[in-house]
Amino acid sequence: GAGVSQSPRYKVAKRGQDVALRCDPISGHVSLFWYQQALGQGPEFLTYFQNEAQLDKSGLPSDRFFAERPEGSVSTLKIQRTQQEDSAVYLCASSFTRDSEQYFGPGTRLTVT
Amino acid sequence: AQTVTQSQPEMSVQEAETVTLSCTYDTSESDYYLFWYKQPPSRQMILVIRQEAYKQQNATENRFSVNFQKAAKSFSLKISDSQLGDAAMYFCAYRSVRGGGATNKLIFGTGTLLAVQP
Repeated sequence: GAGVSQSPRYKVAKRGQDVALRCDPISGHVSLFWYQQALGQGPEFLTYFQNEAQLDKSGLPSDRFFAERPEGSVSTLKIQRTQQEDSAVYLCASSFTRDSEQYFGPGTRLTVT
Repeated sequence: AQTVTQSQPEMSVQEAETVTLSCTYDTSESDYYLFWYKQPPSRQMILVIRQEAYKQQNATENRFSVNFQKAAKSFSLKISDSQLGDAAMYFCAYRSVRGGGATNKLIFGTGTLLAVQP
């Protein structure tokens, strides 16, 4: 079956612009995670959804970051007024349940100029 | 808070040889999962192997095996008969198994870049 997909694969934004990153999880997966991976670093947790409910947003670095999953499937990570420090790869992962294996998408590489 | 440390930023191995990647972690929890993920240049994070902390037996997956030392909080990955396709960034990761409303997110190390020489 299809894996986790993310779009766009690459995004270049001028500082101050808003961006929206999309994640299509594996069908039927209840849990969805967003991670941020800075250059040369391991991924770091941003936020977690169980169905449409955002149960944990403790990793979001500022109030410029907003995520939603309104129908419990596709999720969007929005970054307002992008800054250079937002440049990173944003990874989405989904799992059948909270504690089952997380399957990762290919990520979106965001570059803020 | 839990932390994961990978002290080898880069490693190199000859094709068909064996290489061991190191990982240590810190936690006060008694039950948890440990993982090794592979991330090739395509960026797709792929699960290589996982270990449940309550299991004493070390996990193996074909050419990949782990040396899990719970008391020492050490979790190394051994790759036998290395192949060119094994070249990638390898991340060690920790996940809690708490119940209730805990997120049980993955906590990653900084990675080890493995080069395989033909």
